Amino acid sequence: NAGVTQTPKFQVLKTGQSMTLQCAQDMNHEYMSWYRQDPGMGLRLIHYSVGAGITDQGEVPNGYNVSRSTTEDFPLRLLSAAPSQTSVYFCASSRTGGSDYGYTFGSGTRLTVV
Amino acid sequence: KNEVEQSPQNLTAQEGEFITINCSYSVGISALHWLQQHPGGGIVSLFMLSSGKKKHGRLIATINIQEKHSSLHITASHPRDSAVYICAVLVKDFGNEKLTFGTGTRLTIIP
Repeated sequence: NAGVTQTPKFQVLKTGQSMTLQCAQDMNHEYMSWYRQDPGMGLRLIHYSVGAGITDQGEVPNGYNVSRSTTEDFPLRLLSAAPSQTSVYFCASSRTGGSDYGYTFGSGTRLTVV
Repeated sequence: KNEVEQSPQNLTAQEGEFITINCSYSVGISALHWLQQHPGGGIVSLFMLSSGKKKHGRLIATINIQEKHSSLHITASHPRDSAVYICAVLVKDFGNEKLTFGTGTRLTIIP
């Protein structure tokens, strides 16, 4: 089925380890974005991309890197994990990111940093 | 103060009741989204609207741009409607549009 695929679903990291959260979509959407969801807070934008080769920072970018080499993939990298990065991460895509098309969300990655 | 405020934070109702969840925002927006998040965590888009009213099955969403307010209604509620409902507004920021989210309303429907 068409949609946004996130892997892994669950991950436990030790402080200082690095990892990449994968996000792929097969809808030819130009806009892709990463959010984190923490208890008692709304989802917050980490990084986003309006097309291949173009990325920009969101509200909470520190500690995360992204790249967009293809339209389909938008991986999120944690270079040196910290306990404060324990969260649930969602990837989302939209045809344009604007008000003319809706958003499709992945199923989330639950990350625990110990 | 959050740019997007939802009320109530928690809502418990009996099966069959009419449900209303409210969303107020303080900024100019391009559109407003209503999302549903079930236990287990996946997020599904229910509606995107920029004016008026939309209906899908038992769900109705309305928005009043002048009053910066939107409501999500569920008619004939059912236990399978139990979920967290999230309001998100699309805001223009330096030429790009970004979603800003409310903290969600946890709805529990009791059989």
